[in-house]
Order: sequence, then C-alpha cells, then structure tokens
Amino acid sequence: EDQVTQSPEALRLQEGESSSLNCSYTVSGLRGLFWYRQDPGKGPEFLFTLYSAGEEKEKERLKATLTKKESFLHITAPKPEDSATYLCAVQARSTGFQKLVFGTGTRLLVSP
Amino acid sequence: EAGVTQFPSHSVIEKGQTVTLRCDPISGHDNLYWYRRVMGKEIKFLLHFVKESKQDESGMPNNRFLAERTGGTYSTLKVQPAELEDSGVYFCASSQDLGHNEQFFGPGTRLTVL
Repeated sequence: EDQVTQSPEALRLQEGESSSLNCSYTVSGLRGLFWYRQDPGKGPEFLFTLYSAGEEKEKERLKATLTKKESFLHITAPKPEDSATYLCAVQARSTGFQKLVFGTGTRLLVSP
Repeated sequence: EAGVTQFPSHSVIEKGQTVTLRCDPISGHDNLYWYRRVMGKEIKFLLHFVKESKQDESGMPNNRFLAERTGGTYSTLKVQPAELEDSGVYFCASSQDLGHNEQFFGPGTRLTVL
C-alpha cells in the first residue's frame, strides 16, 4: 500500500532560522510528488511537482528536492507569513496515476 | 482566472438528514476530484471524474455517498443519510488534463453531523 510520512509533525522557527521538512514515501511506481501549503480554513495551495530523483524546484524562500525515497522542503530565512501546514502527496502507478495520497502534514510556525 | 469554488462553506446537519455539496472546477478542467479529511487524519481521496464519467471511485466510503457531474461541469456530492462519522472537511480539486498533474483545490466544505 502506498504510504507517505511527514516529519516533524510540528516545527517552530524564529524568523530567519532556516530548516527542512521531510516527506518519506513508499509507493509502487512514483509518477509525481507534490508539495502543497495549507492555511487555516483554506484548501491546499499548490507549490511544486517533482517527477524524478535529483530534481529540484525553487520558489521564493522554498526549495523542494527529491530522492528515490524522500523529499525535502527547505525553507531559507523564513518569515512569519510562511507559517502554515505543508502537505506532501504522491501519485503512483499502483493507484492509477491520478489520485493523490497525502501525508498528515507539518505545521510550521515562524515567530518574529 | 477563477479558482475552484465550493458551496456551502459550512454545513451542520442532524444524523439521518441529507446534505448536498457542490463544486465548480476551474473552467476548462476536465478532471475533477473529491477528497475528505476527517478530524486528525490525512486528506483522503474519494473519487475522480473525467468530464462526466467516473474514472475512479475507489475511495467512496459506502453507498450513502453519491457523486454526480452532469454535463461535465460542476459536481455534487450527496450524503444520504448522514452519519456522525461523515463529519469532516470535503475538498474538491480540478486539473486540466491527464498530462498536467497539478490539482488545484477549493476551500473545502466543513460538514458537521450531530
């Protein structure tokens, strides 16, 4: 069964304190790995898609990387507005390539 | 460009009642998905439409849930009769076509069954 595990569950940072969030996955035939940001009371907001090991993508203070077993979301010099829950999800051959299988997310709080 | 919209934003109903949730995808998106998150758990897939056809409904919990997408535009998800364990946040997402994997989510409908 496809599985996505995110760690840590929660992370508290000071403004400017860089860190990384982890997403480890076990799937049969990865099609894509997705990162989303979710603010309270809102739906997930798409950030990145990664397709193959070694791929990297960046957006502002965020950088996502992918290996054969895990993905990291690196946050460089975070600001309070980066506070949110970050969700990782995968699409896999075993589940028909379309549906997303989500992890439980990492709640990030950035203090000024 | 308008995003995915969902209605209502909140719904509180009694056990045994019926509720219908609506989702309007991004214009031109053939793929429409329903997901659900129950308290403390991860977001889980319910079903996937391609235009008006159900492509995958493997995540539907039971036959109290009925999803439709008449005409391939908006979709409805009806729960009848609702049970306590149906409480949660129901998300709708859409994507352009099978070659574009990014799914764009709506704000969700929070359903509370008392």
